[in-house]
Amino acid sequence: DSGVTQTPKHLITATGQRVTLRCSPRSGDLSVYWYQQSLDQGLQFLIQYYNGEERAKGNILERFSAQQFPDLHSELNLSSLELGDSALYFCASSVYRGGSYNEQFFGPGTRLTVL
Amino acid sequence: GQSLEQPSEVTAVEGAIVQINCTYQTSGFYGLSWYQQHDGGAPTFLSYNGLDGLEETGRFSSFLSRSDSYGYLLLQELQMKDSASYFCALYNQGGKLIFGQGTELSVKP
Repeated sequence: DSGVTQTPKHLITATGQRVTLRCSPRSGDLSVYWYQQSLDQGLQFLIQYYNGEERAKGNILERFSAQQFPDLHSELNLSSLELGDSALYFCASSVYRGGSYNEQFFGPGTRLTVL
Repeated sequence: GQSLEQPSEVTAVEGAIVQINCTYQTSGFYGLSWYQQHDGGAPTFLSYNGLDGLEETGRFSSFLSRSDSYGYLLLQELQMKDSASYFCALYNQGGKLIFGQGTELSVKP
């Protein structure tokens, strides 16, 4: 158990719908990262938040958005869902203080199925 | 942009040694990380190389050569439980990880 929690574990929805994925980082970790893992794309970095502020963006679609709240939990919002959005969505957290390496701890993931 | 290449599959026998290679293209990065993932579970950290050379952690070792844009993960005394996917990843400023496509390791008895 990494200490990172994600809800829900599974989500089945229809095309065109909107869903929200939730992540609670490890106690004390200020940085949250979101990744998408699909069969043909591997683990893709989506977005990073550090202490409530957006820090880095990857190949995140405009239909996707995220935020980190004052209690440091984060939500990833996916809208106008398409079949191709079906994937495992992972959240990871780290202490990240800059400079030296900080290990990322991954949550169990949310499996999204779009029908 | 950044990209990494690793073999898609590797097979080895229990007790043997296996090396998973990773080549990358990038204009800059902090270091190379390795993660293990079992069957769609959460990726878990194995090793990190911030400097050129070898890092050893128990049965696992990792190597980085910045001049060759190359790294590898070495697994010794293979066990059945080592059957998993292994990902190399570039570690960037801010902590962002860019992953390779992963190598599926099958350990046979």
